[in-house]
Amino acid sequence: DSGVTQTPKHLITATGQRVTLRCSPRSGDLSVYWYQQSLDQGLQFLIQYYNGEERAKGNILERFSAQQFPDLHSELNLSSLELGDSALYFCASSVDWDHGELFFGEGSRLTVL
Amino acid sequence: AQSVAQPEDQVNVAEGNPLTVKCTYSVSGNPYLFWYVQYPNRGLQFLLKYITGDNLVKGSYGFEAEFNKSQTSFHLKKPSALVSDSALYFCAVRLDNYGQNFVFGPGTRLSVLP
Repeated sequence: DSGVTQTPKHLITATGQRVTLRCSPRSGDLSVYWYQQSLDQGLQFLIQYYNGEERAKGNILERFSAQQFPDLHSELNLSSLELGDSALYFCASSVDWDHGELFFGEGSRLTVL
Repeated sequence: AQSVAQPEDQVNVAEGNPLTVKCTYSVSGNPYLFWYVQYPNRGLQFLLKYITGDNLVKGSYGFEAEFNKSQTSFHLKKPSALVSDSALYFCAVRLDNYGQNFVFGPGTRLSVLP
């Protein structure tokens, strides 16, 4: 158990809909990262937050948005969903010192029909 | 640009044989290197990391990795492969910058054949 919690584990929805994925980082970790993984492919970095502020943005579509709340949990919002958005979405957290590693949640599998 | 390469999409090895999964990197400054493993429908699990010190790093499940600065490589190794080692392996580098500070390689699928 990495200590990173993601909900829901599975989500099936229709094209055009909107969903919210939730992540609770490990206790004490201030940084949260979101990644997308399609069909056992590589990891696509979406966005990173540190203590409530956006720190880095990767290949995140304009239809997607995220935020990190004062209690450090984070949400990834996906709107106007398309078939191609079907993927595993991972959240990860880390400490921001001592060159610490990322700890990953088990992911949220999104299926868009 | 900072990058991590894993030159092999797939590595096949017989059970009991040694295995190597290759990783090379291109970063400015000191590299902080990591290996992760991903089993089907699971999140990535941390295996080991190199920050400084001994070039041979030992990690979980009998894995080790050798840091080679001159060749800018960080290959993952295990003396005797198990069928249960079959998974997707990712090499990553952590950067000392304010922006995106983890860069992952594309992944290598390891198949250990009984």
